[in-house]
Amino acid sequence: EDKVVQSPLSLVVHEGDTVTLNCSYEVTNFRSLLWYKQEKKAPTFLFMLTSSGIEKKSGRLSSILDKKELFSILNITATQTGDSAVYLCAVDPQINNDMRFGAGTRLTVKP
Amino acid sequence: NAGVTQTPKFRVLKTGQSMTLLCAQDMNHEYMYWYRQDPGMGLRLIHYSVGEGTTAKGEVPDGYNVSRLKKQNFLLGLESAAPSQTSVYFCASSYSLLRNTQYFGPGTRLTVL
Repeated sequence: EDKVVQSPLSLVVHEGDTVTLNCSYEVTNFRSLLWYKQEKKAPTFLFMLTSSGIEKKSGRLSSILDKKELFSILNITATQTGDSAVYLCAVDPQINNDMRFGAGTRLTVKP
Repeated sequence: NAGVTQTPKFRVLKTGQSMTLLCAQDMNHEYMYWYRQDPGMGLRLIHYSVGEGTTAKGEVPDGYNVSRLKKQNFLLGLESAAPSQTSVYFCASSYSLLRNTQYFGPGTRLTVL
C-alpha cells in the first residue's frame, strides 16, 4: 500500500535556527513529490520535485529528492516566527490521481 | 481571481442528516479534488474529477458522493451523515496531471453530532 511518512511530527525551535524536515515514501510508479505549508487554513504550495539530486530553492527554503532512497528533505534556514506552520509532504503516483499526503510536521518557531 | 472557494465554511449536522458542500474554481482547471483532514492523519483524498461530467474514487470514498456537472464546480454530498465524518474538508483544483500543483480552498469544518 502506498505510504508517506513524515518526521518529526512536531518540532520547536528558536528564531534563527536551521531545521530539516523529512519525508519518506513508498509509492507505486512515482511521478512527483510536493511540499506544502499549511498555516491556519488551506495548504499552500512550496515545491514540486521530480528528479533526484536537484535542489529547489525559494528564499530560505530548499528541498531535495532522493529517488533511490525514497525520501525528500525540506530545509529552512534562519527560521522566523512566520515559518510556524504544518508542513505537508505529498507524493503523486503515475497510475492514478490519488495523491498521498503524510501526516505533516508541525513546526513552531519561538522568538 | 477568487481562486478556489468553498461553501459553507462551517456546518453542524445531526447523525443521519444530509448536506452538500460546494467547491468553485475560476482558474479553468480540469482537475478537482475533495479531501478530508483529520488530526494526525494528514489529507486523504475522497473523490476527484478529471473533467466535467467525470468523477472517480480516491482513498476514502465511502459515505460520500460527488458530481461535476460544470467544469468550475465540484459538489461533495453526504447522504446520511455519521460522527466519523466530522472533519475539515478541503477542495482543490489543478490544471492537469502533468502540472499537478494543487490549489486549495479555505476548507469547511463539519461537525456531526
